[in-house]
Amino acid sequence: DADVTQTPRNRITKTGKRIMLECSQTKGHDRMYWYRQDPGLGLRLIYYSFDVKDINKGEISDGYSVSRQAQAKFSLSLESAIPNQTALYFCATNNGQGADGYTFGSGTRLTVV
Amino acid sequence: AQSVSQHNHHVILSEAASLELGCNYSYGGTVNLFWYVQYPGQHLQLLLKYFSGDPLVKGIKGFEAEFIKSKFSFNLRKPSVQWSDTAEYFCAVRGTGGFKTIFGAGTRLFVKA
Repeated sequence: DADVTQTPRNRITKTGKRIMLECSQTKGHDRMYWYRQDPGLGLRLIYYSFDVKDINKGEISDGYSVSRQAQAKFSLSLESAIPNQTALYFCATNNGQGADGYTFGSGTRLTVV
Repeated sequence: AQSVSQHNHHVILSEAASLELGCNYSYGGTVNLFWYVQYPGQHLQLLLKYFSGDPLVKGIKGFEAEFIKSKFSFNLRKPSVQWSDTAEYFCAVRGTGGFKTIFGAGTRLFVKA
């Protein structure tokens, strides 16, 4: 099984719909992140969480919300999807110590029509 | 402002050619540096990282990177590329003791067989 699992892998939704992207990890790490990837822009941080009770906005949090249901689970919601939220979304985790890099999920490709 | 700049958005090489991908960063403090690779249709994977000590870092699959502090650079190199190295490569920086990782826009490498 993958260390970080994201569902769904692909999703097409209509403008105005609410959608939730789910992420779970088996690394046992406290820190989890949501990024979106757009061509030519790299990855931009949406939200991050250092533990179940600690959730913080990233650089592009408008239009998004998150829920940390457990140490292993961190979900991202689009309350009312809009076309410019069409992107590839990645969940990631790390232990936050030293130079620990991220372990990423396989991504969710979201299209808002 | 903290930022990461990758000089080339697209690189095309023939097999066996040498590779160097440029990365410069702007950050007011000591840093940890990372290169991630994203193969077509896959998630990002850590290629190598620098946190201290020898500025020449060796990673997986024959890749290496050199941290030149005076130039704020962390260029990725490989002496002889293979078709299987076709991927997108992301440089990233994180302040030591910090949590936020900033990614460059990525460089798409295409290796011709």
